[in-house]
Amino acid sequence: QSALTQPPSASGSPGQSVTISCTGTSSDVGGYNYVSWYQQHPGKAPKFLIYDVSMRPSGVPDRFSGSKSGNTASLTVSGLQAEDEADYYCSAYAGGDSVVFGGGTKLTVL
Amino acid sequence: EVQLVESGGGLVQPGRSLRLSCTSSGFTFGAYAMSWFRQAPGKALEWVGFMRNKAYGETTEYAASVKGRFTISRDDSKSIAYLQMNSLKTEDTAVYYCTRGFYNFTYWGQGTLVTVSS
Repeated sequence: QSALTQPPSASGSPGQSVTISCTGTSSDVGGYNYVSWYQQHPGKAPKFLIYDVSMRPSGVPDRFSGSKSGNTASLTVSGLQAEDEADYYCSAYAGGDSVVFGGGTKLTVL
Repeated sequence: EVQLVESGGGLVQPGRSLRLSCTSSGFTFGAYAMSWFRQAPGKALEWVGFMRNKAYGETTEYAASVKGRFTISRDDSKSIAYLQMNSLKTEDTAVYYCTRGFYNFTYWGQGTLVTVSS
């Protein structure tokens, strides 16, 4: 069982927006602004997508955005494209030498 | 360009040991913590552990599932991180990834497959 809770699946049609949630506790997601998101296509290594809740590394399209409210972080993918179909994972710093991870969400573009 | 390349995977019998290497380039290796993840076939990513850099005492932390069996080390002079895996179990079968960072995993290797089977 993962420390952070993500829905197993999400879906949307091309052009639509979809939001994936990541729920933790006040000791991780709610306690620090150190939530990150990763995208993984089948058979590929994960890719760094969002850091510090809402920051995008260079090269990541602005269609991807992150936010946080209380103990729940969210990843929103706007203007869905076929290539956005992938697994998405969240991660959060939990203090000291501790980091926690979500179980992943499979995003399907209909 | 930052590159991480894992090596050392393969088929190993239960109870045996294996050491994975993560050869890095394109950045100052000694300035960063290095982490290891794994992904069993069809399953989610699982954090294995990490090692801080020398400035932070090269401390390590491990997932409960591997604590006492796996050890992470590093050789800053060679820009290599290692994952020593002892007393391997069939449930350790997975693709193992190394990644730069501790809570922001900015760069990832392509992974190396470890299969534990008799």
